[in-house]
Amino acid sequence: NAGVTQTPKFQVLKTGQSMTLQCAQDMNHNSMYWYRQDPGMGLRLIYYSASEGTTDKGEVPNGYNVSRLNKREFSLRLESAAPSQTSVYFCASSEAVYGTVHTGELFFGEGSRLTVL
Amino acid sequence: TQLLEQSPQFLSIQEGENLTVYCNSSSVFSSLQWYRQEPGEGPVLLVTVVTGGEVKKLKRLTFQFGDARKDSSLHITAAQPGDTGLYLCAGPFSGGYNKLIFGAGTRLAVHP
Repeated sequence: NAGVTQTPKFQVLKTGQSMTLQCAQDMNHNSMYWYRQDPGMGLRLIYYSASEGTTDKGEVPNGYNVSRLNKREFSLRLESAAPSQTSVYFCASSEAVYGTVHTGELFFGEGSRLTVL
Repeated sequence: TQLLEQSPQFLSIQEGENLTVYCNSSSVFSSLQWYRQEPGEGPVLLVTVVTGGEVKKLKRLTFQFGDARKDSSLHITAAQPGDTGLYLCAGPFSGGYNKLIFGAGTRLAVHP
């Protein structure tokens, strides 16, 4: 059982380049998330999607776009990468249904390490 | 702005010692979760606490949710090298259904 799969695992970009991080889950979960993790700052939510076709901003959405292609896939796009976007990016999913208070357990991928030069 | 503050930031101990790490906020949370993250991997859920004053035990790990639901603690008894990792607390955004915010974490190293 693969769970949450992220690609690529490592990427080096130059300032101004664009790229898309891909995420897919095979648990039939409704909710999907993109977080970034920086030293000493824990995990910060970039975007959230409650279902196919819906997305919502998190704590740090500036400089990112997302697309919930279908129930399985949630992609994160950097249109013009900046050094401040150097980070480890995590995709996660949960079975939470929008409108309920509790998120339920988040299942995370292994992360994508992005370096912007 | 909701914040979850974790302390200490770093903890280095010998095998067999006991330890407690804390997760504090000025905001009330409907629930709090604790995750453990090992190098190169994503966080994995350890426990969810929902009721004020609740205590949950997971083998040598004891989790407590404060009576006012503003804080939580994780106590590890007789720590082992396998307990090494980053411990993160997390709670739902107020008014933001299904969105989870995380503390900065406590990095624990247990030496043989």
